[in-house]
Amino acid sequence: GQNIDQPTEMTATEGAIVQINCTYQTSGFNGLFWYQQHAGEAPTFLSYNVLDGLEEKGRFSSFLSRSKGYSYLLLKELQMKDSASYLCAVRHNTNAGKSTFGDGTTLTVKP
Amino acid sequence: DVKVTQSSRYLVKRTGEKVFLECVQDMDHENMFWYRQDPGLGLRLIYFSYDVKMKEKGDIPEGYSVSREKKERFSLILESASTNQTSMYLCASTPTGDTGELFFGEGSRLTVL
Repeated sequence: GQNIDQPTEMTATEGAIVQINCTYQTSGFNGLFWYQQHAGEAPTFLSYNVLDGLEEKGRFSSFLSRSKGYSYLLLKELQMKDSASYLCAVRHNTNAGKSTFGDGTTLTVKP
Repeated sequence: DVKVTQSSRYLVKRTGEKVFLECVQDMDHENMFWYRQDPGLGLRLIYFSYDVKMKEKGDIPEGYSVSREKKERFSLILESASTNQTSMYLCASTPTGDTGELFFGEGSRLTVL
């Protein structure tokens, strides 16, 4: 089976740094995604980690430790537009490469 | 630009009605998925398909069926809608052999009265 945990809500200040954690227990792990979803919109891809380590992409970075079943998304220089839900998802090594999602973390950025 | 189109953004149906949710992608992706999204429960996989006429159950298939007659189109069917199927339905696609990044449609918000 699969179990993916992430905090329900987080609040941070504009210009600050925030780290959103995700832990998972799953069989057939192939990689881990982070998606961003603004209210009323579809999720959009942020990052994909297959190997251990940190992947940096502009203000956003994502880290994976396969042995610990742990990932985090790091957002730097927070902007008001970063207020959204952040979804952690595990990709399985099946035919279609289906993904299982955590419940999402709602991030509120305050001035 | 990649595009996944869902036929209806908002639907209101009555209990017992048959409901069709259509999804079309123009990216020639092999894999297509239907998720539902509910507050506090995240995205849950209903059904997926990795080829034309192929389908597999996801985590919550009860009360749903799907159809994939053409590569670009994946339909979700509620044979007899119930109030607990009121939800946001999201279609997604991804190519085989790539990272598996999902491309989502805008979603269909279904209300069953």
